[in-house]
Amino acid sequence: NAGVTQTPKFRVLKTGQSMTLLCAQDMNHEYMYWYRQDPGMGLRLIHYSVGEGTTAKGEVPDGYNVSRLKKQNFLLGLESAAPSQTSVYFCASSYSSSGAGAFDEQFFGPGTRLTVL
Amino acid sequence: GESVGLHLPTLSVQEGDNSIINCAYSNSASDYFIWYKQESGKGPQFIIDIRSNMDKRQGQRVTVLLNKTVKHLSLQIAATQPGDSAVYFCAENSGGSNYKLTFGKGTLLTVNP
Repeated sequence: NAGVTQTPKFRVLKTGQSMTLLCAQDMNHEYMYWYRQDPGMGLRLIHYSVGEGTTAKGEVPDGYNVSRLKKQNFLLGLESAAPSQTSVYFCASSYSSSGAGAFDEQFFGPGTRLTVL
Repeated sequence: GESVGLHLPTLSVQEGDNSIINCAYSNSASDYFIWYKQESGKGPQFIIDIRSNMDKRQGQRVTVLLNKTVKHLSLQIAATQPGDSAVYFCAENSGGSNYKLTFGKGTLLTVNP
């Protein structure tokens, strides 16, 4: 299994440009997530999905959109990039369980380093 | 909002020593806690997790302790090796959520040979 993969690994954008980051997982996980990581800070949740066709806002959703058209893919879009979106972006996925105490570990991809000039 | 925090942002140890990384959490409704290791240029990697019905869990060279009374979590690494050098993050499941994690800011562990 490849696990969680992300493309591209690096990208440089100019302010106002748009782009899409692709995340793919081959573990048949229901849940998928997009995080950003900035220097000196932990991971912050941008958007997440609890199943194909569903998405929800996380802690820092402004300026981003997502789509989960297929179970194995989760796309993160920047419609009009801003320098404040310079960051490392991580995708993660996890298995779904039901009931209390159902949380399972999240598996992370290798990250995409985005610079917005 | 409530968040997970770390007592020490950096920790330097000698090879072979034991390391202890601490974490404080403030959401008493959280019932799942997890430690991740992140090496430079890589994504976070699972180390060990613990649910709130336990106070201790052991893995290979690692032990996680949970003290719900004082909302404290710690990661102990036995016989620390140079390959253990990384940033370590604790995270909690956002007040009992079944799918969302809240991460702390991380502790940088440096192992000196």
